[in-house]
Amino acid sequence: QTVVTQEPSFSVSPGGTLTLTCGLSSGSVSNNHYASWYQQTPGQAPRPLIYNTRTRSSGVPDRFSGSILGNKAALTITGAQAEDESEYYCVLYFVGGFYVFGTGTKVTVL
Amino acid sequence: QVQLQESGPGLVKPSETLSLTCTVSGGSISSYYWSWIRQPPGEGLEWIGYIYYSGSTNYNPSLKSRVTISVDASKNRFSLNLNSVTAADTAFYYCVRHSQWRSLEYWGRGTLVTVSS
Repeated sequence: QTVVTQEPSFSVSPGGTLTLTCGLSSGSVSNNHYASWYQQTPGQAPRPLIYNTRTRSSGVPDRFSGSILGNKAALTITGAQAEDESEYYCVLYFVGGFYVFGTGTKVTVL
Repeated sequence: QVQLQESGPGLVKPSETLSLTCTVSGGSISSYYWSWIRQPPGEGLEWIGYIYYSGSTNYNPSLKSRVTISVDASKNRFSLNLNSVTAADTAFYYCVRHSQWRSLEYWGRGTLVTVSS
């Protein structure tokens, strides 16, 4: 059973920078996992933020960026704003056509 | 703009089959992969499975024995059947269109299905 791990929660001050990570219980995340990131506010469907590890989805502000950091995928928010307070999920693609969601990170901006 | 709309019963009895349909508008179902995702209230997201417009499928191994996803390209829609449901299958169910980059590009608004007698 593949487990994709994320930090349970993160707090950041307005204007601050935070980096969320997306790792594997066994092994390293690479570009071949086509990591994507989604933002979800309560009562809403997830909103795509990043695809193919580092490409921003249409309409996503450039304060959101994706990368590989060490052996994990990462989502960095530079200059956090109040409206960034949400749950964030990563998704990894695996050979054979399987997708696994991360456990999610709740971000608080205060 | 592509739009997806889930439809189906909001209440299903234990041991019965959950059936949902996703109707696609603003674009063709052809040449894309389409997934079902679910989220129990207050919990995380889970990929259920996908179908290609031609009919090939792939399912989450943890649900594979109970899931069938089908497509009706002539009606621009695809469907989910999940059999032998229990309370653990209570969730918001989303239908999603994949991008060419293996991401989940367009999402329906989701529909809550409750399993209860």
